[in-house]
Amino acid sequence: GAVVSQHPSWVICKSGTSVKIECRSLDFQATTMFWYRQFPKQSLMLMATSNEGSKATYEQGVEKDKFLINHASLTLSTLTVTSAHPEDSSFYICSARKAGQSNTEAFFGQGTRLTVV
Amino acid sequence: QKEVEQNSGPLSVPEGAIASLNCTYSDRGSQSFFWYRQYSGKSPELIMSIYSNGDKEDGRFTAQLNKASQYVSLLIRDSQPSDSATYLCAVNSGGSARQLTFGSGTQLTVLP
Repeated sequence: GAVVSQHPSWVICKSGTSVKIECRSLDFQATTMFWYRQFPKQSLMLMATSNEGSKATYEQGVEKDKFLINHASLTLSTLTVTSAHPEDSSFYICSARKAGQSNTEAFFGQGTRLTVV
Repeated sequence: QKEVEQNSGPLSVPEGAIASLNCTYSDRGSQSFFWYRQYSGKSPELIMSIYSNGDKEDGRFTAQLNKASQYVSLLIRDSQPSDSATYLCAVNSGGSARQLTFGSGTQLTVLP
């Protein structure tokens, strides 16, 4: 299967600082990547769809100015949590589907556990 | 009504038994269906994909799809304690939508 690499796997940051999370498709091109957030014992919540070369599409209730998404190439999308607060502490997961294959499975990164203190 | 519904469980089965996980979806235009397994603290990993009506078997796993009834299920034969995880059903609707819609997941515990 295809590989999606997410970095870092965990990060602890101080309240008010910003954190950048990277999502890379290692062996395929992904015109679209997806960012999810998952709180303990809850399901995946889609935050935004990242489109290569264009603006991301955010789900209702997700602040686009707080969660900055950049998808500058066909293999890299980044999520920056700006001015992080303790309530932003969560498990952030990216996924990607192969370009040109809209009907196939999504491949997930390893996830990033963010703790804001 | 949620687009993809799963029984949240928890579902407990003894080791060696068959675990049956069910999922229903609302969009009749859905074209592809996936089962993911997620261990606690880890990201989801794909177990099975199914695209047409009927059964699809892969080792101890069997996915069943019935588009007329809008349900998809996952059977795990000879369940092992290592199968204990949350199982997520995901559906790709027809049209231009590219993101998968996930159910809330069913927590499975296999008792030794």
